[in-house]
Amino acid sequence: EIVLTQSPATLSLSPGERATLSCRASQSVSSYLAWYQQKPGQAPRLLIYDASNRATGIPARFSGSGSGTDFTLTISSLEPEDFAVYYCQQRSNWPPRFTFGPGTKVDIK
Amino acid sequence: QVQLVESGGGVVQPGGSLRLSCAASGFTFSSYGMHWVRQAPGKGLEWVAFIRYDGSNKYYADSVKGRFTISRDNSKNTLYLQMNSLRAEDTAVYYCAKDSENYGDYPTEVDYWGQGTLVTVSS
Repeated sequence: EIVLTQSPATLSLSPGERATLSCRASQSVSSYLAWYQQKPGQAPRLLIYDASNRATGIPARFSGSGSGTDFTLTISSLEPEDFAVYYCQQRSNWPPRFTFGPGTKVDIK
Repeated sequence: QVQLVESGGGVVQPGGSLRLSCAASGFTFSSYGMHWVRQAPGKGLEWVAFIRYDGSNKYYADSVKGRFTISRDNSKNTLYLQMNSLRAEDTAVYYCAKDSENYGDYPTEVDYWGQGTLVTVSS
């Protein structure tokens, strides 16, 4: 079973700063890695799929990179609405399943 | 626009059963695989189950295999989750979620989520 690890657990930054979030897989997931944003009391929202493709309607300040076991979500300049929890997610075809990482909370410094 | 509306949550005793429903609209339901994903209070996301667009294949997390059953009725644009032998650790908000790939054989990623329904397992 593939395990995802996210770091740091919490990232304290100010609006306008750059955020760099890491997701590491216990074995290669190729480019089958997605990122989601979740705000309190809301459902998650898809940001990035296949490691580097922005989902529909996602601002260009969000970007994803990586392949294999190491992935990064970058928010180039934090907006007030970006303070939230971010999850990475991998998919495997055999056995067919999803795995989410434990999340990184981005909060206001 | 895509809408997913869950219902059926509530309080149930350990060992009990509950059936969740998800009414889908705004897209061709019969063309997309669907998921249930849950989130325990204050915790992260946990994938529960996936069903192929035509209902022919179903996949489950180990934590619910043998106790939960995912199903769908494409004529009613509705997804279901039958939950049996419920445990305290099943307490969570359950989200209905649409897979992003049409006519996909396997889960990929979720592009739309419902608002969730809370299931509480407690005596």
